[in-house]
Amino acid sequence: GAVVSQHPSRVICKSGTSVKIECRSLDFQATTMFWYRQFPKKSLMLMATSNEGSKATYEQGVEKDKFLINHASLTLSTLTVTSAHPEDSSFYICSARPHRGDGSYEQYFGPGTRLTVT
Amino acid sequence: GENVEQHPSTLSVQEGDSAVIKCTYSDSASNYFPWYKQELGKGPQLIIDIRSNVGEKKDQRIAVTLNKTAKHFSLHITETQPEDSAVYFCAASIKGDYKLSFGAGTTVTVRA
Repeated sequence: GAVVSQHPSRVICKSGTSVKIECRSLDFQATTMFWYRQFPKKSLMLMATSNEGSKATYEQGVEKDKFLINHASLTLSTLTVTSAHPEDSSFYICSARPHRGDGSYEQYFGPGTRLTVT
Repeated sequence: GENVEQHPSTLSVQEGDSAVIKCTYSDSASNYFPWYKQELGKGPQLIIDIRSNVGEKKDQRIAVTLNKTAKHFSLHITETQPEDSAVYFCAASIKGDYKLSFGAGTTVTVRA
């Protein structure tokens, strides 16, 4: 149980184009989903918190117009990197917090998406 | 906000020996402390977690201890195996916030 998928796993795009990454909770409903960015050999950096049916909350320094987040349902959140540039190349990972009545804190992570902007 | 420090950054152990990773946190309001294992090119996998109302938790070869007074928690892996080689991250979450603050990670290498 508690499986999170991401699609695509790898994507290469040209500078100036936009890329959409999907995050799905496969066997549970997610109250909240989170988007992280991870640089090589570094820790995870939280970009934004996504709650179903409401606007995402972005961390300081993360441009909301650059990284568009849509949380359309309790099992799907999408991250769109708009007008991508080489410096946006990174490993993007989502996580999902199960919708439970006990206010659980567990987060389950997806396998990540490797974005390369040429 | 919460600040989590993790040590050591790298750890090399002989197969069969134990590995210990330590983390400290800054905000006394933190009440949830998970540990994640990340293999190369993959997403982090939750391996064990502990809440602030518990001092120790064990799951087979993995255990986590929490000292709320000192604001530190540790991961213990016993009888290490080569498949335990990975990067391990500790994290902390402030009560009611649900966001995780991560440590810098520990690269564990188990020598056969």
